[in-house]
Amino acid sequence: DGGITQSPKYLFRKEGQNVTLSCEQNLNHDAMYWYRQDPGQGLRLIYYSQIVNDFQKGDIAEGYSVSREKKESFPLTVTSAQKNPTAFYLCASKRDSYNSPLHFGNGTRLTVT
Amino acid sequence: EDQVTQSPEALRLQEGESSSLNCSYTVSGLRGLFWYRQDPGKGPEFLFTLYSAGEEKEKERLKATLTKKESFLHITAPKPEDSATYLCAVQGAGSYQLTFGKGTKLSVIP
Repeated sequence: DGGITQSPKYLFRKEGQNVTLSCEQNLNHDAMYWYRQDPGQGLRLIYYSQIVNDFQKGDIAEGYSVSREKKESFPLTVTSAQKNPTAFYLCASKRDSYNSPLHFGNGTRLTVT
Repeated sequence: EDQVTQSPEALRLQEGESSSLNCSYTVSGLRGLFWYRQDPGKGPEFLFTLYSAGEEKEKERLKATLTKKESFLHITAPKPEDSATYLCAVQGAGSYQLTFGKGTKLSVIP
């Protein structure tokens, strides 16, 4: 089945450590996205990529970094500069940048203590 | 700036009690309005895309409608398995990203 795989499902880190969240898709979609979801808030865009080797900052990019070396993969690094990293992180992809829907993975819950 | 407001924040229904969820939006040139369902601890699941005012789409007990200012998600004779958070999002002209509302948490009581 085609889909988006995020791993791991749960991740625990100590404050001050960088951590990388994995996102892989086999839908052959060009565009990929990272969102953050916090209780009581809408999904907020961190980074997005419309094509391999290119990506743009979203609304809350500070303290995060991404790479897009392959069409299928869009890993997100949460750096120690991110002040409130504990959250539910969602990766998504869409067929094109026009008006096709986003398809989401099942998320990674990151807890930093 | 695109904006999406969903109401109510939470809704409790008895099984079989039909109701509607509201999504009000402001956007510069609507490319698409999207409805998603999200279960606890999971990613949102795509339900519908609406592109222009007057458009309607149906799936099982759900029916989505669109006007120039808002969208409704009508739930007919809901069942407990319809309990979830329903998210609305819009994509405006010239934008590559979706703007999401905060969602409506629906609970259907047997």
